[in-house]
Amino acid sequence: KNEVEQSPQNLTAQEGEFITINCSYSVGISALHWLQQHPGGGIVSLFMLSSGKKKHGRLIATINIQEKHSSLHITASHPRDSAVYICAVETQIRGSQGNLIFGKGTKLSVKP
Amino acid sequence: DTGVSQDPRHKITKRGQNVTFRCDPISEHNRLYWYRQTLGQGPEFLTYFQNEAQLEKSRLLSDRFSAERPKGSFSTLEIQRTEQGDSAMYLCASSLVNASPLHFGNGTRLTVT
Repeated sequence: KNEVEQSPQNLTAQEGEFITINCSYSVGISALHWLQQHPGGGIVSLFMLSSGKKKHGRLIATINIQEKHSSLHITASHPRDSAVYICAVETQIRGSQGNLIFGKGTKLSVKP
Repeated sequence: DTGVSQDPRHKITKRGQNVTFRCDPISEHNRLYWYRQTLGQGPEFLTYFQNEAQLEKSRLLSDRFSAERPKGSFSTLEIQRTEQGDSAMYLCASSLVNASPLHFGNGTRLTVT
């Protein structure tokens, strides 16, 4: 079992829909990152959070430390939101603060 | 600030050859990370530096792989005696300290024929 699990793996939505991507993890963490990867490989950091909720434009990220779960929400989705969304956790295991464990990503496609 | 830059963007090499990739992080960032990503998978941690010190290496980093960050600025990742299984996207990222936002380069795509 992967230490970071994302769901769904693939998601197709119509423009304007509200989207939720989920991330569950099984290790102790110091922070959780949500990343966006477009075709061609470039990765952009969307959020880094260790508690509560953060909002940036149409994107909202929440984390529940007790339940070891985070969600990324996109309101009023748009075709330009089409990308792979990756959850990554900074672990506390092995005394490492540099070891990020990544989920496999959720491929989002927003149709016009 | 031009962000994290990686060179080259693409590299095609024959099995058995050595290759070296370079990463220039954001100038004031202390931490520099190397990751490998294969098609359809999330990135996998390879190694990271705090300034010039290499603090952790993944089990994925066999003895054919070596990384350096000699002056705490740019970093190089060398793969010796490349194998077809080394074909992947090699990503570099930097950050100020732990638990701070990561900034990724566009990656170097390696194809070993």
